[in-house]
Amino acid sequence: RKEVEQDPGPFNVPEGATVAFNCTYSNSASQSFFWYRQDCRKEPKLLMSVYSSGNEDGRFTAQLNRASQYISLLIRDSKLSDSATYLCVVKGGSASKIIFGSGTRLSIRP
Amino acid sequence: DVKVTQSSRYLVKRTGEKVFLECVQDMDHENMFWYRQDPGLGLRLIYFSYDVKMKEKGDIPEGYSVSREKKERFSLILESASTNQTSMYLCASRPHGATNEKLFFGSGTQLSVL
Repeated sequence: RKEVEQDPGPFNVPEGATVAFNCTYSNSASQSFFWYRQDCRKEPKLLMSVYSSGNEDGRFTAQLNRASQYISLLIRDSKLSDSATYLCVVKGGSASKIIFGSGTRLSIRP
Repeated sequence: DVKVTQSSRYLVKRTGEKVFLECVQDMDHENMFWYRQDPGLGLRLIYFSYDVKMKEKGDIPEGYSVSREKKERFSLILESASTNQTSMYLCASRPHGATNEKLFFGSGTQLSVL
């Protein structure tokens, strides 16, 4: 079983729709959680950190469920520019234990 | 603006060649990382370094070595390139400290080994 699992997609949704995807992690000792965004043929960039209480950044909402060991990302009022691959990232106790999921591909259609 | 620079965007090498991938960051970060990214597998950590001349193996170090002689530069070395090392290689850096967990990535090197 992979340490961090994501549905690879692709999710193909119309502009303006709300879309959500989850990510599960296997190590209950994981400490920090993030969503990164990666555009085609580009490097990953931090989208947002995920806090225990849940957090929002504009149209993006991230949630963490420690009991069930998953994190989620919700995108409201999706834009064409949201088309990208979204990487779930989980960090353990040491600098090296930063585990990336294989990504969920999102495509927003006009 | 912060910058992580990888020396080559595309590289084509032959099996058995020694390959050097260079990465330089201008942010005075202590931690530097080398990942490879393959379809369906995500990013996998090859090596990382938390200080000059310090290095630690990641999840897939076999066939690779690294060098960190200066704080700003972290080199990945393929001693004898093989076709299964064809991949996208991403360098990243971040500072020490639990409050600075954002990874800054270079734009990647697409390596093809023929």
